[in-house]
Parts: sequence; C-alpha cells; structure tokens
Amino acid sequence: GAVVSQHPSWVICKSGTSVKIECRSLDFQATTMFWYRQFPKQSLMLMATSNEGSKATYEQGVEKDKFLINHASLTLSTLTVTSAHPEDSSFYICSGAVKNIQYFGAGTRLSVL
Amino acid sequence: DQQVKQNSPSLSVQEGRISIRNCDYTNSMFDYFLWYKKYPAEGPTFLISISSIKDKNEDGRFTVFLNKSAKHLSLHIVPSQPGDSAVYFCAASKNYGGATNKLIFGTGTLLAVQP
Repeated sequence: GAVVSQHPSWVICKSGTSVKIECRSLDFQATTMFWYRQFPKQSLMLMATSNEGSKATYEQGVEKDKFLINHASLTLSTLTVTSAHPEDSSFYICSGAVKNIQYFGAGTRLSVL
Repeated sequence: DQQVKQNSPSLSVQEGRISIRNCDYTNSMFDYFLWYKKYPAEGPTFLISISSIKDKNEDGRFTVFLNKSAKHLSLHIVPSQPGDSAVYFCAASKNYGGATNKLIFGTGTLLAVQP
C-alpha cells in the first residue's frame, strides 16, 4: 500500500497558540488529501478535503478559519489549528488516496492545556 | 444521521476461529466499501475493499461479503490471530471510479482474539 507520513505524532500546547500538522505522501502523488478527527471511542469524522492548488472543502460544522488547510504540492498538506483551546484536544489523522483507497498517516495527538 | 453503522461494539474470539465483523449502511448511493483496522493512537490500516458490482472479495485471510439488497456487508477473518486484535472500521463512498470521494466511516468494532 501507499505510505503517508504525518508529523508530529504528539503535541502539547498552551491555549491560544497555533499548531501545524504536516501530512506527506511518500511514494505517490496526492491531488486530494483528507483530514479527520477522532474523539475517544468514537469514529473518524471527516473535517475537510484538501485539494492541491485550490481551497479546501470543509464539512458542515467545521470552522475554516479555525482549521487552516494548505495543500501547496502534490505530496504535502498541512493543517493548522489556530488559537487552539482545550476543546480542540483530539486525535487528528490525514489520508491520501490512490485509486479510491485512502491510506492514512499515523495520526497526531493534540493536547491543549 | 449515521449512514454507516456497526452495531456490535466488541467481540471476542478464540485464536484460529473465524471472526466476523458486520456493517450496515443506509445510503443506496454508496458503491464502494472498505474495511480498515486500527490500533490505539495509530492511523487506520487498509485491509480489503469491494465495489457494488461484486458480492464477494477475498485477499488472504480476509473476505468481504456485500449484500446490496440488505445494505449489509461483513468481514470474515480466517483464521483469527492474536495480532488481529484491534478496532475494525467499515467505510463507504459514492461514485467509485470517478474522482476520489470522501469516506463515511462506521462506529467501529473492537475485536479481541484470545490465544
């Protein structure tokens, strides 16, 4: 399968700061990448679809000014959580797609104090 | 509205036995289905998929069955191994073969394989 690298794997930050998460496709080009969020013991919820060279498409209820997505190249998408607050603490996961199959990164655990 | 449902939150089976994961969906527009395995604090790992033009797909120990009339799919693991212990998610998408589409995930089922 295709390999997706996500960094960092764990981040702790103070309330009010911004955090950037990187998602890289290592062995394929990803025109489209996806960002998910998972709360404990719950399913993966799609936050947004990241499109290379254009604006991301956000799911209903996801604040685009809060969760900034940049997809400047075919191998890199970034998610920036701006002015993070404790309720943003969660597990964030990205994926890239190859022929209708999404391959996921290892996820980023964000803890906002 | 939960379009993809996994009604069994957990299941325990003995090593070597068959383990079955079930998944139901409500949207008849879904035409591609996938199963993922997930360990805690890791991203999901792709296992197997099936398009709506088929009713069965096999890959090694994994077999997925699709019943379109019942809007139901299942994942069979034969034989089960302790390393299979994880949370299993089914996922569905629309417009298979076209542009990459978003996945709708089920709620997950925890499988414990006892040695």
